[in-house]
Amino acid sequence: GQQLNQSPQSMFIQEGEDVSMNCTSSSIFNTWLWYKQDPGEGPVLLIALYKAGELTSNGRLTAQFGITRKDSFLNISASIPSDVGIYFCAGQLEGAGSYQLTFGKGTKLSVIP
Amino acid sequence: GAGVSQTPSNKVTEKGKYVELRCDPISGHTALYWYRQSLGQGPEFLIYFQGTGAADDSGLPNDRFFAVRPEGSVSTLKIQRTERGDSAVYLCASSSQGGDNEQFFGPGTRLTVL
Repeated sequence: GQQLNQSPQSMFIQEGEDVSMNCTSSSIFNTWLWYKQDPGEGPVLLIALYKAGELTSNGRLTAQFGITRKDSFLNISASIPSDVGIYFCAGQLEGAGSYQLTFGKGTKLSVIP
Repeated sequence: GAGVSQTPSNKVTEKGKYVELRCDPISGHTALYWYRQSLGQGPEFLIYFQGTGAADDSGLPNDRFFAVRPEGSVSTLKIQRTERGDSAVYLCASSSQGGDNEQFFGPGTRLTVL
């Protein structure tokens, strides 16, 4: 099946630093999404991208939908301790009327105060 | 308002047993999804319901897995003859009318098969 390659697998950064993570795919997606998951919780949507080339911000988060529709990146500026968690990219492609999400393996972010 | 709820939060069972996992979606959401998340991995799609019908069950790994949503609200994921490899967190998500509307996830049920 489809696979998303997400990198890096983990990151340790100092509070206040900027963070960048990305996702690539062998398949084209109509929509790219970025989620954050805290321990014991389900993923929570951070940013949704619907158009190739689109650059979208949500507070300190910025994400872009690659021109080829096969990649996306997420930047977090001025990291704070509550940014700790696992970040997942996900691609969405309508098939047979389904809008299932295909997730990457996640980037585990640790912020050192 | 209430989000997606899942019960139980944890389930420990023995190999070969039958288990049922329940999902209560957000009220009024017609679309419901089940995903499975193994340790260190992202969630993997299992099945999608639009209303009462399973519109896409292409992610179910084999015929030991089955899900129902008889009244278009609560859904139950059923696993027969459980195997150790079934151990994972089972996540449920719901969205308004399906499509590319945001999928809201529940906290998951952690299934451990001994």
